[in-house]
Amino acid sequence: DAGVIQSPRHEVTEMGQEVTLRCKPISGHNSLFWYRQTMMRGLELLIYFNNNVPIDDSGMPEDRFSAKMPNASFSTLKIQPSEPRDSAVYFCASTFDRGGTEAFFGQGTRLTVV
Amino acid sequence: GENVEQHPSTLSVQEGDSAVIKCTYSDSASNYFPWYKQELGKRPQLIIDIRSNVGEKKDQRIAVTLNKTAKHFSLHITETQPEDSAVYFCAATYNQGGKLIFGQGTELSVKP
Repeated sequence: DAGVIQSPRHEVTEMGQEVTLRCKPISGHNSLFWYRQTMMRGLELLIYFNNNVPIDDSGMPEDRFSAKMPNASFSTLKIQPSEPRDSAVYFCASTFDRGGTEAFFGQGTRLTVV
Repeated sequence: GENVEQHPSTLSVQEGDSAVIKCTYSDSASNYFPWYKQELGKRPQLIIDIRSNVGEKKDQRIAVTLNKTAKHFSLHITETQPEDSAVYFCAATYNQGGKLIFGQGTELSVKP
């Protein structure tokens, strides 16, 4: 398995534009997490899915953020409209949830909103 | 709600010394506690984990201890080396699809 795959690796966009980040979890994993990493806030959990169902989205900062997981092999995080304060590294991670197991991270998407 | 507090935020040690990072968690249902290492510009990667039925676990130079009564756990690195320099994150979760919450991170610097 190639691991958790995120795209794009880097995204530069203008304020007000829509941004879509993509994640392909490891095959067989049934929990998926989206995190935002900034210097000030560390690894902040935005939302997590279990068996493709959103379980907790209390970390999503505001209505401009939305996430979907239409099937077990794909998830998206969308920001519309984007703002400069959304600039951060966004990580996706997946795990097999039985018994508490290692969560594997993707390489992250570095988002810059200008 | 779930919360994980981590201290210190920065730690500087001399090569060969030991380093200790401490975390506390709020959710008594938490029963899985991983530690991740993140090198500059890279993704976090698991270095060691511990489950609630164990009080201590060791892997070469790193060890983790867990006190469920006090709801705190610690990472111990002995004989530190410059390549141990990184940001370390503790986390807590619980089984059956629970969310994974991270501490704020500790930036460890090992000086030669």
